[in-house]
Amino acid sequence: KNQVEQSPQSLIILEGKNCTLQCNYTVSPFSNLRWYKQDTGRGPVSLTIMTFSENTKSNGRYTATLDADTKQSSLHITASQLSDSASYICVASNNAGNMLTFGGGTRLMVKP
Amino acid sequence: SAVISQKPSRDICQRGTSLTIQCQVDSQVTMMFWYRQQPGQSLTLIATANQGSEATYESGFVIDKFPISRPNLTFSTLTVSNMSPEDSSIYLCSVEDKGGYEQYFGPGTRLTVT
Repeated sequence: KNQVEQSPQSLIILEGKNCTLQCNYTVSPFSNLRWYKQDTGRGPVSLTIMTFSENTKSNGRYTATLDADTKQSSLHITASQLSDSASYICVASNNAGNMLTFGGGTRLMVKP
Repeated sequence: SAVISQKPSRDICQRGTSLTIQCQVDSQVTMMFWYRQQPGQSLTLIATANQGSEATYESGFVIDKFPISRPNLTFSTLTVSNMSPEDSSIYLCSVEDKGGYEQYFGPGTRLTVT
């Protein structure tokens, strides 16, 4: 069964600090790994997409890593801002894109 | 990227009634999807909306409860029929880009059933 597990479920950090969110997946055959940011009351917005051959990808202050051997990914947020408060969802794809398995998300709160 | 709009953005409905949610995309897309996000949960795929043919439903979702229309390549509707409080969720429309690599989500429709 395809599964994506994220940790922690929730996280509170102070503005300006860094944090790392974790994702473990069991999806086969694996195609790509995505991180989405979902603000409260909005739809998810893509942050990064990585195929099995990529092990790191950055989007501004967001850096995602992927270890296809251990089936683990992380999302590192640098110098957090209040606007980073959101849910971060890890999604694994097992074909061209329309077979997505969603993680439960990590709710991040950045406090001043 | 694709710009997706949904109507209504939110609604409060009575048990036993039905609500139709509209999804409009600013460009022609082949693949359109409908998701449900229950409170505090992640997204669950309801169905793939196919243009010119019946939607493809995921396990646990049936056409009688969630009829879907896809009259053209830029528009789709999802109806939530005979609603119960358990249907209270956010319903999201999503499209896939032409390369099948990126997926874009609409802003969602927040449904509350009383």
